Amino acid sequence: GENVEQHPSTLSVQEGDSAVIKCTYSDSASNYFPWYKQELGKRPQLIIDIRSNVGEKKDQRIAVTLNKTAKHFSLHITETQPEDSAVYFCAARRMDSSYKLIFGSGTRLLVRP
Amino acid sequence: EAGVAQSPRYKIIEKRQSVAFWCNPISGHATLYWYQQILGQGPKLLIQFQNNGVVDDSQLPKDRFSAERLKGVDSTLKIQPAKLEDSAVYLCASSLVWRNEQYFGPGTRLTVT
Repeated sequence: GENVEQHPSTLSVQEGDSAVIKCTYSDSASNYFPWYKQELGKRPQLIIDIRSNVGEKKDQRIAVTLNKTAKHFSLHITETQPEDSAVYFCAARRMDSSYKLIFGSGTRLLVRP
Repeated sequence: EAGVAQSPRYKIIEKRQSVAFWCNPISGHATLYWYQQILGQGPKLLIQFQNNGVVDDSQLPKDRFSAERLKGVDSTLKIQPAKLEDSAVYLCASSLVWRNEQYFGPGTRLTVT
């Protein structure tokens, strides 16, 4: 079945440095890739998403890149701040109502002040 | 706009007991999802409703879990009887239609002892 692998499981960076989280997916027909941020004890919130007709998307300090050939996509956070500390989940799905969102296992990001 | 509401926020029960969770999606959202999030893992879809019809329940353990969305608005998820491995956070999410961003509720943390 469909699977999304996410690495690393934990990531510690110094404030101001960049953080990169990588995901690979198994279903080659997937064409929608959202990223969610989940702070401790809180609900997941969408921070950025990308569709397969785009290779890269940026929103201020956050960017996502997609390589459909290799079936992987990455989240890049620049100039990290302590409030970026959270668990980040990638996900993938086909844009078809009969297919569900498959989540990765999450990356716990710690930004050290 | 008001977000997705869930209750209760926390529940502790003994194994073999029954429990029910309630979700009120964002007004006007046709699609409603129930996810199970085990500690340290990404959310896993249990069931997806489109209005009051089930779109996907392939990962719902139907021998013990049931869900309904009778009037196409609120939804309840029931577990009967509960097992130790059901300990998790149960997240409800909704979206305007299936292709749109999913908004998550705060979740219900279930502990089965």
